[in-house]
Amino acid sequence: DTGVSQDPRHKITKRGQNVTFRCDPISEHNRLYWYRQTLGQGPEFLTYFQNEAQLEKSRLLSDRFSAERPKGSFSTLEIQRTEQGDSAMYLCASSLVAGKYNEQFFGPGTRLTVL
Amino acid sequence: AQSVTQPDIHITVSEGASLELRCNYSYGATPYLFWYVQSPGQGLQLLLKYFSGDTLVQGIKGFEAEFKRSQSSFNLRKPSVHWSDAAEYFCAVVLYNFNKFYFGSGTKLNVKP
Repeated sequence: DTGVSQDPRHKITKRGQNVTFRCDPISEHNRLYWYRQTLGQGPEFLTYFQNEAQLEKSRLLSDRFSAERPKGSFSTLEIQRTEQGDSAMYLCASSLVAGKYNEQFFGPGTRLTVL
Repeated sequence: AQSVTQPDIHITVSEGASLELRCNYSYGATPYLFWYVQSPGQGLQLLLKYFSGDTLVQGIKGFEAEFKRSQSSFNLRKPSVHWSDAAEYFCAVVLYNFNKFYFGSGTKLNVKP
């Protein structure tokens, strides 16, 4: 049983470039979440999907950010025209909504550095 | 406003000593409560969780946490710390609909030999 995987693990880019991250959730998990974690802080919620539908987006998710989950399996998070303030760890989590409890399992994260 | 507070940014304890990490939350109702641990460059690993019932919950790696409704607290404890426990610890809450986690800012634990 594999856990949540994220690719790449590290990304260094220049300001103004576009980047795309991928998250593969645990098989059969119908919910997928994206969080951002900056240095010295806890993760902050960005958005989540139930199957392929994006059900909620945080105010943190500016127009430059877009997330998709086209077939209800893997998800991508794209950041356009990156800024230095986008440097952070981007965490993905997945869960199976079944019954009352819904535990989220986290991936190892993608660390983005914008120069 | 909803919030999760971890008042201690850094804690240093000697190996073998006891540990308590504090967490307070501010919500209208009792949320579901979690503790996660994160090693450098790694993702989050669940230590334990509280949904309801017995207010003292046991987790992995010898950790336990106690929910105190009157104090809106969910403090993490370990009777004897090991060097491998050095990491960052996050308290988190989820509201009943489980749509998203709210995390505290974390407590970084150093363990002296």
